[in-house]
Amino acid sequence: AQKVTQAQTEISVVEKEDVTLDCVYETRDTTYYLFWYKQPPSGELVFLIRRNSFDEQNEISGRYSWNFQKSTSSFNFTITASQVVDSAVYFCALSERYSSNTGKLIFGQGTTLQVKP
Amino acid sequence: SAVISQKPSRDICQRGTSLTIQCQVDSQVTMMFWYRQQPGQSLTLIATANQGSEATYESGFVIDKFPISRPNLTFSTLTVSNMSPEDSSIYLCSVTEGTGSYNEQFFGPGTRLTVL
Repeated sequence: AQKVTQAQTEISVVEKEDVTLDCVYETRDTTYYLFWYKQPPSGELVFLIRRNSFDEQNEISGRYSWNFQKSTSSFNFTITASQVVDSAVYFCALSERYSSNTGKLIFGQGTTLQVKP
Repeated sequence: SAVISQKPSRDICQRGTSLTIQCQVDSQVTMMFWYRQQPGQSLTLIATANQGSEATYESGFVIDKFPISRPNLTFSTLTVSNMSPEDSSIYLCSVTEGTGSYNEQFFGPGTRLTVL
């Protein structure tokens, strides 16, 4: 069965520190898709990244970077030089091939990140 | 990306009543989805709403409790019926957009429901 685990419930850092949010997933499918979303206090879900299972290249976007490792079924998210505006709940999500066109995302429990000034 | 709006943004309701949530998209989309996020919890898919057919519900969700309409390719409604405090949640509309082997998925701003 598919499952997404975000073991870190809450993380607190001081501004400018680097922080890594962990995501471990389970799936039997060989083709799947992984996502990260940000949910600020206002409640909306902001799409950050999608990664296909056949593309293990790490990605960097500004202060954000993602490390995808199929060998450990992990898709970790690092924020470099964190800022107060990064404070939010971050969700990792999985979609398997058979559900890729149905929109069914399996979400992790989320990690609450607090960045203190 | 598609721009999604939801009405109302929040509401406080009495138990036993019903609330209809609207989701409007600025472009035509084939598939629309409704998710629920209970307080402090993750998101769970309620149902998939396709235009011209009945909604497909996930395990644990039934049409009598969460009737859904999809009258056209840019609009959908979700009704939370006979509400109880356990229905207090954020309800989010979502759409997929794009072509190819996978569509991007975007979420609306959510409707924050409190049931007293």
